Amino acid sequence: GENVEQHPSTLSVQEGDSAVIKCTYSDSASNYFPWYKQELGKRPQLIIDIRSNVGEKKDQRIAVTLNKTAKHFSLHITETQPEDSAVYFCAAASYGKLTFGQGTILTVHP
Amino acid sequence: EAGVAQSPRYKIIEKRQSVAFWCNPISGHATLYWYQQILGQGPKLLIQFQNNGVVDDSQLPKDRFSAERLKGVDSTLKIQPAKLEDSAVYLCASSLATGGHNEQFFGPGTRLTVL
Repeated sequence: GENVEQHPSTLSVQEGDSAVIKCTYSDSASNYFPWYKQELGKRPQLIIDIRSNVGEKKDQRIAVTLNKTAKHFSLHITETQPEDSAVYFCAAASYGKLTFGQGTILTVHP
Repeated sequence: EAGVAQSPRYKIIEKRQSVAFWCNPISGHATLYWYQQILGQGPKLLIQFQNNGVVDDSQLPKDRFSAERLKGVDSTLKIQPAKLEDSAVYLCASSLATGGHNEQFFGPGTRLTVL
């Protein structure tokens, strides 16, 4: 089955800095890669996603890149704000089944 | 639109007891998922329904876990008997259809503590 590795497990940045989270996947059949943000005690919420026929996607301060050859994808958050503090999960979908990474705890210090 | 509803929000039971969770997906969503999220980990898929049929239950511990989705709408997940390692948040999610390109919407989860 699919295996998704996510790094780093914790990330601490100053407000205004950029944050980058990286994920690798194992199943070459995976074709959809969503990123979820989960605040403490809350449900995961989709923040951005990318399909396998696209190399990069941007939505305001958030961008995701995908390298299918290397089987890795990354989340980039620019101009971070304290409200960006949360746990971020990457995921890969193979035949409709989502496999999640272990999560990254992002802390943005004011 | 109303989101995915789950109940109860919290449950504390003794090991070897039984427990059931309920999920009501977003109206019109054909696909329903149950995930187990252990503290500090990402959600792990337990079972996926398309309408009232099971699409994937390969990671469901079938000796103690069962799930059903009668009439293709609401779903229940049951654990019998519970073990200490079942302590986790159980998340229900739904999407319009099966397929990797459909956004999954999550419910608030049920936090289960097994003592």
